[in-house]
Amino acid sequence: SAVISQKPSRDICQRGTSLTIQCQVDSQVTMMFWYRQQPGQSLTLIATANQGSEATYESGFVIDKFPISRPNLTFSTLTVSNMSPEDSSIYLCSVRQGEMNTEAFFGQGTRLTVV
Amino acid sequence: AQSVSQHNHHVILSEAASLELGCNYSYGGTVNLFWYVQYPGQHLQLLLKYFSGDPLVKGIKGFEAEFIKSKFSFNLRKPSVQWSDTAEYFCAVTRSGGYQKVTFGIGTKLQVIP
Repeated sequence: SAVISQKPSRDICQRGTSLTIQCQVDSQVTMMFWYRQQPGQSLTLIATANQGSEATYESGFVIDKFPISRPNLTFSTLTVSNMSPEDSSIYLCSVRQGEMNTEAFFGQGTRLTVV
Repeated sequence: AQSVSQHNHHVILSEAASLELGCNYSYGGTVNLFWYVQYPGQHLQLLLKYFSGDPLVKGIKGFEAEFIKSKFSFNLRKPSVQWSDTAEYFCAVTRSGGYQKVTFGIGTKLQVIP
């Protein structure tokens, strides 16, 4: 299993500002994932963060809005840029430890409210 | 792209009642299937998983799920729920092989009344 720590756990931000969310894993993992869980909706994958390469974004998400860093095998950040109230959501970091037949592990999430 | 449908968005049961939460996925290839649970104030955690073999999978806390390939279903069951099962339950699917993304259903909020 993997233990994932996310910071901050929650924040209230002004529109137009940016917030960087940190994700720290207690073991080295190749793939890290960032999800968004909007109220009343499912978890939606934002992007896959690979160490040493550009993140891969899902349809509807762009690097300018959600820049991701992955400096090493245990750490990643997601920035929510130029925030608007529509960005209010829970943001989750997730990892899978192996390539085949493994489950995803999740951080506790960051609850973001944009006012 | 694969998708997951959970039919019950909010379920209310009395303690000792039986539970079945429906989950259907859309993808014609080989899949890995999961049920995750999120207890109030806690992070998502794995309840059970199916990769291959026996389609009846047993998980933690007395939960089980049955993979029916012909129906593209992976329903979650528990014969007798407890108040502590109050949580949100998410069905999820990945394609088999390699680093495949996990697609989640919308979730089912289960409320168990003592």
